[in-house]
Formats: sequence, C-alpha cells, structure tokens
Amino acid sequence: QVQLQESGPGLVKPSETLSLTCTVSGGSVSSGSHYWSWIRQPPGMGLECIGFIYYSGTTNYNPSLKSRVTISVDTSKNQFSLKLSSVTAADTAVYYCAREQIVGPTGGYYYYYMDVWGEGTTVTVSS
Amino acid sequence: DIQMTQSPSSLSASVGDRVTITCRASQSISSQLNWYQQKPGKAPKLLIYAASTLQSGVPSRFSGSGSGTDFTLTISSLQPEDFATYYCQQSYHSPRTFGQGTKVQIK
Repeated sequence: QVQLQESGPGLVKPSETLSLTCTVSGGSVSSGSHYWSWIRQPPGMGLECIGFIYYSGTTNYNPSLKSRVTISVDTSKNQFSLKLSSVTAADTAVYYCAREQIVGPTGGYYYYYMDVWGEGTTVTVSS
Repeated sequence: DIQMTQSPSSLSASVGDRVTITCRASQSISSQLNWYQQKPGKAPKLLIYAASTLQSGVPSRFSGSGSGTDFTLTISSLQPEDFATYYCQQSYHSPRTFGQGTKVQIK
C-alpha cells in the first residue's frame, strides 16, 4: 500500500527557510488521481492546510502562507517538497504530508479527501 | 476561507454510548465534507468522506450525514479505541479548512 515519509531538519533558526521532503512509496506522484499536500499542526492545536501540488507542477497555496511557501514535485525521485521561508516561532509545528484523492465526477461533483498521511515530523523554530 | 465550527469542543462518554459530533460550515459546501480521527502523537486517519461514505476498513459504528452547511458524525456504540480527537474538513474550496476538533474522553 502507499506510504508517505517526511524528512528534513527538526530545528530551524528564525528568519531561515524550513525545507521538508515527502517520499512516496508503493505509489507514484505522477498519478493523475491525486494531489500531494502539506498540513501542519502547532503544539496542542488544530490542523492547517499549507497547500498542495499536482504531478504537472500546478500548485495551490493557503493565502495566509502564500508569500512564504513553495511546494515542488520531483517525479524522478517520487518525492514532493515544502519550503517555508522567513520562519518564526509561530511556524513551530508537526508537519504532515498527505495524499489527497480525487474522485469523480459523481453526480456532477469531484470529491477530495486525504486518505494517506505520513507519520509527521516535528519542526521547531528556535535560535 | 470557509470556516468550520465543531461542537462540542470536548465530551465525556462511556463505552457503549452513542456519540454525536456536529460540524457547521460558514457557507454551503454541498457534500464536500470529510471526517478524521486523530490519536495523540499520530497522524489523522480518514473515517468518512463526501459527508457519508465510510472509508474502507473503518468500522460500521461510524456514520456521517448532512449536506449544505450542517453535518454530523455519529459513533453508534463507543469503543475503547475510539477515544480520540475528531476533525471535520471541507474540500469544497481551497484552502481546505478543518474544524477546531472535538476531543472524546472517557467518562
């Protein structure tokens, strides 16, 4: 079955760039039936979608983070990546990568849901 | 952004109880509503998508209903492994947004 695994530094200094990679196994990032997403969860808080990418390179970012976020895909390595620039302590969180299934059209609608998640990686922003 | 509001924020229940969690969207989202379960230190797990479709492998005691702005997750008979935090999420518009979560605790 498809598995996702996040990797990257667990500690980033303020004002620097957070960089994470998600490696996909048992499936392909080149699938036309999926978006590849990043979600984060600050300590003790809820879930926030950062953005997603399609295998073609088309991206969609949360407007609250758009000026600082870049998501890219490397089909040759079956990976997708997150870069978040100018980080502050508010960016301290568990970062998850996830596969978003695209289903449809059914009754005229497409449906989207995150059916496979990585285990998450904790990133702390501190000097 | 579409705001998702869950109620209650937490609840205490006993094994065997019927539990209902509600989720309200700030605008109509048709049936573009998903439910996830998260246990401490773990990634969220998809339970229900498209408001009422049970994800493969999820026990049938979980069910979802609703459309438009009001949705419900029901656990028909709470089991020990169901004590967790539950999140709704809309996939009608980007950015995808989650409710604040409902923590189900042991009474």
